[in-house]
Amino acid sequence: RKEVEQDPGPFNVPEGATVAFNCTYSNSASQSFFWYRQDCRKEPKLLMSVYSSGNEDGRFTAQLNRASQYISLLIRDSKLSDSATYLCVVGPSGSARQLTFGSGTQLTVLP
Amino acid sequence: NAGVMQNPRHLVRRRGQEARLRCSPMKGHSHVYWYRQLPEEGLKFMVYLQKENIIDESGMPKERFSAEFPKEGPSILRIQQVVRGDSAAYFCASSSDLALYSPLHFGNGTRLTVT
Repeated sequence: RKEVEQDPGPFNVPEGATVAFNCTYSNSASQSFFWYRQDCRKEPKLLMSVYSSGNEDGRFTAQLNRASQYISLLIRDSKLSDSATYLCVVGPSGSARQLTFGSGTQLTVLP
Repeated sequence: NAGVMQNPRHLVRRRGQEARLRCSPMKGHSHVYWYRQLPEEGLKFMVYLQKENIIDESGMPKERFSAEFPKEGPSILRIQQVVRGDSAAYFCASSSDLALYSPLHFGNGTRLTVT
């Protein structure tokens, strides 16, 4: 089983649609969680951190379910500029210091 | 405030040559991570370094690959005797030691092509 699993997509949605991505992680001791986005093989950029209580940043809402070990990202009112690959990232636990990246979910927002 | 700086952006090497990739972390960051992204795949952790120390190299291939982060100067990822399978994007990231679980800030990567 992969440490971080995501549906690779692709998700093709019309402008204005709401789209949701899920991600599961295997290490129950993981301490931190993030969503990154990556455009056209450029460097990954932090989209938002994910907190246990859930958090929102404009059109983006992230949620964490520790009991089920999954993380979600909801994008409302999709824009063309949201087209990218969204990476679920799980933070270190114990002595492991590195972040583990999922393979990403590809989103294309269509006009 | 400059971000993470990587160079070169693109590097072409023939099989058997050496590749050296450089990374300067963000100002004030003393933690450096190297990740590799093969074509059509996700980012894979390679190595985590602090100044003059390798903390975790569990993702580094056992042969031909090495990394350092000297007291002065950038971090270097060195690949000896490159093979075609080494062709990938290599991303460096840095983080602050003020927050153990702070998110990573990535450089724009070095695209290595082995011919």
